[in-house]
Amino acid sequence: GAGVSQTPSNKVTEKGKYVELRCDPISGHTALYWYRQSLGQGPEFLIYFQGTGAADDSGLPNDRFFAVRPEGSVSTLKIQRTERGDSAMYLCASSFAGQVSGANVLTFGAGSRLTVL
Amino acid sequence: AQKITQTQPGMFVQEKEAVTLDCTYDTSDPSYGLFWYKQPSSGEMIFLIYQGSYDQQNATEGRYSLNFQKARKSANLVISASQLGDSAMYFCAMREITGNQFYFGTGTSLTVIP
Repeated sequence: GAGVSQTPSNKVTEKGKYVELRCDPISGHTALYWYRQSLGQGPEFLIYFQGTGAADDSGLPNDRFFAVRPEGSVSTLKIQRTERGDSAMYLCASSFAGQVSGANVLTFGAGSRLTVL
Repeated sequence: AQKITQTQPGMFVQEKEAVTLDCTYDTSDPSYGLFWYKQPSSGEMIFLIYQGSYDQQNATEGRYSLNFQKARKSANLVISASQLGDSAMYFCAMREITGNQFYFGTGTSLTVIP
């Protein structure tokens, strides 16, 4: 697609429920990132995919969070047993892979706002 | 230590004036990239400008320019001729050569006053 697409744009759930957030990156972008942004804060790194594999998942806060990208394109962030503290904007971004340069800047989606009641 | 520090939580600027948003960074990598993003109230992060650590000249993109001072580890964003549509959150970010992660600051909220 033309941009990074994230669904749903808004998700309200109850504490303890399971949630899936989907990201469809720009076609041709092999690098995919998930970030979490709390109100008034900057984006906080969660996980990075290069192709199908999670190359860096050091930002996942605990084992309730998991992400997959089975075919190297669409990615799903999965949160089990949600807690109120999980409420945030979840941002997905994609880029071309490679060395740091102006050619592989991150392009972000509009985000999925998660509210856990 | 914070990788990216933005010390101005909020800034105001008169329409048509220039404004500088501060950013300092911390890295021991010899090569890195610095980025600025704009986040309007709609929420989507919009890329503005990139500066490579080995670039000889300061980056410019239209009304945006980056005041890069490598020895001081600062990468301030300058917006010239401010417009009402520039009101937004602005985030500085860095990616190091040794990793793939982009580190973001806490942002600066810019308000342009008519």
